Amino acid sequence: ETGVTQTPRHLVMGMTNKKSLKCEQHLGHNAMYWYKQSAKKPLELMFVYSLEERVENNSVPSRFSPECPNSSHLFLHLHTLQPEDSALYLCASSKAGGLEQYFGPGTRLTVT
Amino acid sequence: QKEVEQNSGPLSVPEGAIASLNCTYSDRVSQSFFWYRQYSGKSPELIMSIYSNGDKEDGRFTAQLNKASQYVSLLIRDSQPSDSATYLCAVYGGSNYKLTFGKGTLLTVNP
Repeated sequence: ETGVTQTPRHLVMGMTNKKSLKCEQHLGHNAMYWYKQSAKKPLELMFVYSLEERVENNSVPSRFSPECPNSSHLFLHLHTLQPEDSALYLCASSKAGGLEQYFGPGTRLTVT
Repeated sequence: QKEVEQNSGPLSVPEGAIASLNCTYSDRVSQSFFWYRQYSGKSPELIMSIYSNGDKEDGRFTAQLNKASQYVSLLIRDSQPSDSATYLCAVYGGSNYKLTFGKGTLLTVNP
């Protein structure tokens, strides 16, 4: 595997389900990000981890819970989501202190 | 509220022409600027970064930055149909790794 990978690529879940999104980077980076991309809106930063410490939580509802067990892996735990949470969820990574971010392929999430 | 503005397009150019994509930003202390290309159904791909005033060239791509006018642009020379995509401008203002993205400009290159 190279670059940034994300699983699953597509996810359909009901509002009462609990699921997790996984991201893994193979670039030797030590900062990782979660973004949300909705139609007609700019990319929205959700969370930033640098050296496994959360440095940014961009006013994200508590039904989204991030986890960064090490510098290569990032999770987004989802529970009790709303239909408006349906979007493309993108993971990215960069060098700590670096700003050039590299994105994974994304998870297309549909909440029914 | 920091804002990054882009014309949503679509911008349509013939093959071989120069495509000019523009971006303005509101935060005067912004330090670093990036252009991403996003094909339909795919994730954003970093194509250019620029940190100081002036031009930066990489192959057919030239990024131009004017901090006094709070303006950054991307020129694509000899446009190809494979350049058809949405181009996202992103700006870093110095706060906790946070990039602010524009909504993107859809570019269509017609054969």
